Amino acid sequence: GAGVSQTPSNKVTEKGKYVELRCDPISGHTALYWYRQSLGQGPEFLIYFQGTGAADDSGLPNDRFFAVRPEGSVSTLKIQRTERGDSAVYLCASSPGRGRVGVNEQFFGPGTRLTVL
Amino acid sequence: AQSVSQHNHHVILSEAASLELGCNYSYGGTVNLFWYVQYPGQHLQLLLKYFSGDPLVKGIKGFEAEFIKSKFSFNLRKPSVQWSDTAEYFCAVNADNAGNMLTFGGGTRLMVKP
Repeated sequence: GAGVSQTPSNKVTEKGKYVELRCDPISGHTALYWYRQSLGQGPEFLIYFQGTGAADDSGLPNDRFFAVRPEGSVSTLKIQRTERGDSAVYLCASSPGRGRVGVNEQFFGPGTRLTVL
Repeated sequence: AQSVSQHNHHVILSEAASLELGCNYSYGGTVNLFWYVQYPGQHLQLLLKYFSGDPLVKGIKGFEAEFIKSKFSFNLRKPSVQWSDTAEYFCAVNADNAGNMLTFGGGTRLMVKP
C-alpha cells in the first residue's frame, strides 16, 4: 500500500479484556516499530522488529504486552488483561531496512486509539 | 537513558511571525535528530532530519533546524509561519547506543492565527 495502515482506528474495551492491534507496514519495509502515545505526551517506544524477530523489546511496559510479526510483514500488538492506564494511541511505523534510523526514516501510520473503560 | 525536552508546550503566533521551537536532548554521544509534524487529523510526518554534515538542515515547507552539539540542541525555525502550519511538532532523537528506537519530546502545539 501507499503508507502504513493500522486497524482498528478506534478500539473501546473493558478492563480485563484482551485486545489485538494490527499494523500493515509499507510493502518491502523490513523494519517495524510500535510506539504508544498517551494524551499530551510524545510517542514512547515499545518494540522494534527486523524481519520476523523482535530486535528490541525493551520498551514493552510489562508481560501483558506482546507483539508478533510471523511472516516479516504484518504485525500484531497484543495486550492481555487490559487496564485503564493502557488507554492511549498505539502507533506503528516502518522503515526500509537495516542500518541506523538516521539513514532509514520511520514512516508512521495513523494509529489505533485504545480506550479501556 | 536518553531524554528529549521541548520547553514550549503551546505556542500561538500570528501569520507571518517567525517561529522557533526549542529541543534539547540529554545524550552525550553520537545522535541522529528529527522533527516530526502532526497536522490536525493526520499522522506523524517527517519534517526534517540530521545525521551528519552541515548542522543547519533544511526541511519541507520552509522549515529548518540547527544542530548545536555544545548545547545539545536542535531547534526548529521558520522565518514566516502560515495558518496551515498549525499542528503539533515533535522533536526526536536516536542515540548510537539505543539501536533503532526514537526517543520523542513531549511535543509543542502550534496555533497560527490568520
